[in-house]
Amino acid sequence: DIQMTQSPSSVSASEGDRVTITCRASQGISNYLAWFQQKPGKAPKSLIYAASSLQSGVPSKFSASGSGTDFTLTISSLQPEDFATYYCQQYNSYPYTFGQGTKLEIK
Amino acid sequence: EVQWLESGGGLVQPGGSLRLSCAASGFTFSSYGMSWVRQAPGKGLEWVSTIDRSGAGTYYADSVKGRFTIARDNSKNTLYLHMNSLRAEDTAVYYCAKHGYDILTGSRGHFDYWGQGTLVTVSS
Repeated sequence: DIQMTQSPSSVSASEGDRVTITCRASQGISNYLAWFQQKPGKAPKSLIYAASSLQSGVPSKFSASGSGTDFTLTISSLQPEDFATYYCQQYNSYPYTFGQGTKLEIK
Repeated sequence: EVQWLESGGGLVQPGGSLRLSCAASGFTFSSYGMSWVRQAPGKGLEWVSTIDRSGAGTYYADSVKGRFTIARDNSKNTLYLHMNSLRAEDTAVYYCAKHGYDILTGSRGHFDYWGQGTLVTVSS
C-alpha cells in the first residue's frame, strides 16, 4: 500500500497569513493526488485534483503543486473560514490512501 | 446542483448487518464511479470501497474485504454498501463520494463531491 505522510500535523497561523502543507507518498504516484478540506462535523470538501487542478468553485487562494512523491498545498491570505483540517489522498492505485491530516488553527 | 440523501446508519450489535444507501441527484449518476469513505470518531479519513460506472468493477480495503459489498442501481441513482459481520472498529461516519472526470487525462479516479455522511455505531 502507498503511505501518505503529511507535515506538519498541525499549524497555527493568523488571518492574512500564507501557509504551506506538504504531502509525501511512499512511492511515485505521478500526479494522482487530491486535497480536501474538512471542518468539524462536516463532510470533506474537494479542493484540488491531479495535484494542481482546482475543483470547480474553489477560490484561487488555494494552490497546489508536485509530482511523483512530493506535493504541496498553499493557502494564501487566510480567512476565518479557512481554519480546518486538510487531507491529501492518492488515487494512483488501490487501496486509495489518505494522509493523516493537517489541522490549521488560528494563532 | 449535486444533492445526496444518505440513509441506513444506526446502532448495530457486533456481528450484525446494515445496508447504507446514498441516493444522488443533480448529475448523470451512471456516468461516474462512486466510492465509500469512512471516518472513525476523532480519526482521519479511510477509503472503504469503489465501484465503477457500470457496477462491474469493485474494489475494497483489506479491512472490509469479504464482509462489505458495494453495489449500485443506476435506474434509481443510488449507491449501496452492504455491511456484514460488523465489528466495533467499523464504527464511523460513512461518506459516499462521487468520482470526477479529468478532461485533460481521462482519469476518473478523483473525488469531486461528497455526501453528508451517515453514522454507523457497532456496540453491544
